[in-house]
Amino acid sequence: AQKITQTQPGMFVQEKEAVTLDCTYDTSDPSYGLFWYKQPSSGEMIFLIYQGSYDQQNATEGRYSLNFQKARKSANLVISASQLGDSAMYFCAMREGIRQAGTALIFGKGTTLSVSS
Amino acid sequence: GAVVSQHPSWVICKSGTSVKIECRSLDFQATTMFWYRQFPKQSLMLMATSNEGSKATYEQGVEKDKFLINHASLTLSTLTVTSAHPEDSSFYICSARGLAGVSETQYFGPGTRLLVL
Repeated sequence: AQKITQTQPGMFVQEKEAVTLDCTYDTSDPSYGLFWYKQPSSGEMIFLIYQGSYDQQNATEGRYSLNFQKARKSANLVISASQLGDSAMYFCAMREGIRQAGTALIFGKGTTLSVSS
Repeated sequence: GAVVSQHPSWVICKSGTSVKIECRSLDFQATTMFWYRQFPKQSLMLMATSNEGSKATYEQGVEKDKFLINHASLTLSTLTVTSAHPEDSSFYICSARGLAGVSETQYFGPGTRLLVL
């Protein structure tokens, strides 16, 4: 079974609008972390936002917020006021056993976001 | 944020040759480094986890004799693709996690594009 599921291969949004990128996850570990990364065409992985499984509040970082619904095992990324520069591939990722040093990030298949003017 | 470098950023080689990719954490000590592989328009697939001073842990299906990983110091890990073939052409990305405390964020290098002719 997939650990991280991103059901939207592509999303289109107009500048200044908000967009939600979906992510659901599957784990039985009570201690985990959820991450979102942006990958522009250059290939670099840009860290956007992090949510820990024990965090009581939804994470926010500037225009990015994470809608964390633990019971539903979802961690959707919300980008407010989209900009042309937001056009990129977005990956949701999870790390189980967040307190352990050696565990790796596991990625979803990604969502390509296209922002138009 | 922390900086991870990779070298080279691009490499083109003939089939049968070996290629070494370096991954360095520039401003922090990385006890653990991770190597990922990404095909066009696809997700990042974890190849191996590398711990300083010990043997790397490879993911299922990844040939350890094909992809040699060395993590000789807290700031350097290398991936050597031995006897490269065209099917090894891919985007290789390393990632590192810091030493102090439990840093949730995993920092990525800019990636290395390998083309085997």
